[in-house]
Amino acid sequence: EDQVTQSPEALRLQEGESSSLNCSYTVSGLRGLFWYRQDPGKGPEFLFTLYSAGEEKEKERLKATLTKKESFLHITAPKPEDSATYLCAVQAWATDSWGKLQFGAGTQVVVTP
Amino acid sequence: AAGVIQSPRHLIKEKRETATLKCYPIPRHDTVYWYQQGPGQDPQFLISFYEKMQSDKGSIPDRFSAQQFSDYHSELNMSSLELGDSALYFCASSLGQGNQPQHFGDGTRLSIL
Repeated sequence: EDQVTQSPEALRLQEGESSSLNCSYTVSGLRGLFWYRQDPGKGPEFLFTLYSAGEEKEKERLKATLTKKESFLHITAPKPEDSATYLCAVQAWATDSWGKLQFGAGTQVVVTP
Repeated sequence: AAGVIQSPRHLIKEKRETATLKCYPIPRHDTVYWYQQGPGQDPQFLISFYEKMQSDKGSIPDRFSAQQFSDYHSELNMSSLELGDSALYFCASSLGQGNQPQHFGDGTRLSIL
C-alpha cells in the first residue's frame, strides 16, 4: 500500500533560519510528487511537481528535491509569511488509478520575526 | 488568473439531511477531483471525473454521489448526513488525467448538527 510520511510534524523557525522538511514515500511506481502549501481555512496551494529522482525545483525561498525514497523541501532564510502547513502528496502509476493524490499529514511551519 | 470556485463556502445541516456541493474548475480544465479533509487531518481522495465520466473512486461513502456536467462543473451530493461527515470538502481541477498539478479551491466547510 502506498504511504507518505512527513517529518517533522511541526517546525518553529526564527526569521532567516533555514531548514528542511522531509517527505518519505513508498509507492509502487511514482508518477509524480507534489508539494503544496496550505493556510488555515484555505485550499492547498500548488508549489512544485517532481517526476524523477535527481530533479530539483526552485521558487523564491523554497527548493524541492527528489530521490527514489524521499523528497525535501528546503526553506532558505524564511520570512513570517512562509508560515503555513506544507503538504507532500504522491501520485502513483496504477491501472485502476488515474490521478488521485495521497497526502502526507503535513508539516506545520511557524516563522517568528 | 481564474481559480477553482466552490460553493457554498459554509454549510450547516442536521443529521439525515441532504447537501449539494458545487465546484467550478479552472477554465479549460477537464478533470475534477473531490477530497475530504477532517479537522487536523490530511485531505482524503473521494472521487474524480475526466471528460464527464467517473475516472477514479476512493473512500467515498455509498450515501454520496457525484457527477460532472457538460460545462465541466461538478456536484457532490450527500444524503443521510451523519455527524462524522463534518469536514472541509475540497475540489481540485487539472488539465487531463496525467501527472499535471491539481489546483484546489478554498473548500466548503460542512457542519452537521
